[in-house]
Amino acid sequence: QSVLTQPPSASGTPGQRVTISCSGSSSNIGSNTVNWFQQFPGTVPRLLIYTTDQRPSGVPERFSASKSGTSASLAISGLQSDDEANYYCGAWDDSLYGWVFGGGTSLTVL
Amino acid sequence: EVQLFQSGAEVKKPGESLKISCNVSGYNFPSNWIAWVRQMPGKGLEWMGIINPHDSYVSYSPSFRGQVTISVDKSIGSAFLQWSSLKASDTAIYYCARHSRVLTTRFIDYWGQGTLVTVSS
Repeated sequence: QSVLTQPPSASGTPGQRVTISCSGSSSNIGSNTVNWFQQFPGTVPRLLIYTTDQRPSGVPERFSASKSGTSASLAISGLQSDDEANYYCGAWDDSLYGWVFGGGTSLTVL
Repeated sequence: EVQLFQSGAEVKKPGESLKISCNVSGYNFPSNWIAWVRQMPGKGLEWMGIINPHDSYVSYSPSFRGQVTISVDKSIGSAFLQWSSLKASDTAIYYCARHSRVLTTRFIDYWGQGTLVTVSS
């Protein structure tokens, strides 16, 4: 059972906009910034979003994120077939004094 | 260029001990904490623990405290994850990852390539 809650799956058609939610608590998302990671099967996770809404260099502007209270969301606009991957949210937890992750959302491009 | 390079895949028997490593380059090792993350086959990311290379302070996830030991050797820029007695349920890919902090924000920005540990009799 992951500390952060994500839907196990999401889907969309090419060009569509999809969002993935991430729900936490006051000790993690409520008091710290959120990170999002993208992982293709058999590969290493990649930082997609940090500090809740910042993109590392090389990450397309199609990827955006936001946070409100103890929940966060990742939005992917102009969906492409190569966006098919697993997406994880993560945040520092002040009570645990460590990282907590969501269970991951498998994105399918129909 | 920041790089985290992990030791190679391991195949072990239940009850055996193991120590895997994460060698960093491209930045000042003591400046960033190192986290260890487990990914069991077909499953998600699980945080195991995190170490401050500056003073070797470790924070463990309650799920892994007492099951593994996290350490560093500052002189060679390496972090380690070890088991004293492996179980079949320890079969997983283990990642080391660099934890960065800027003012009050924290993020994991670089990952090692992962070490596959297979425990089977």
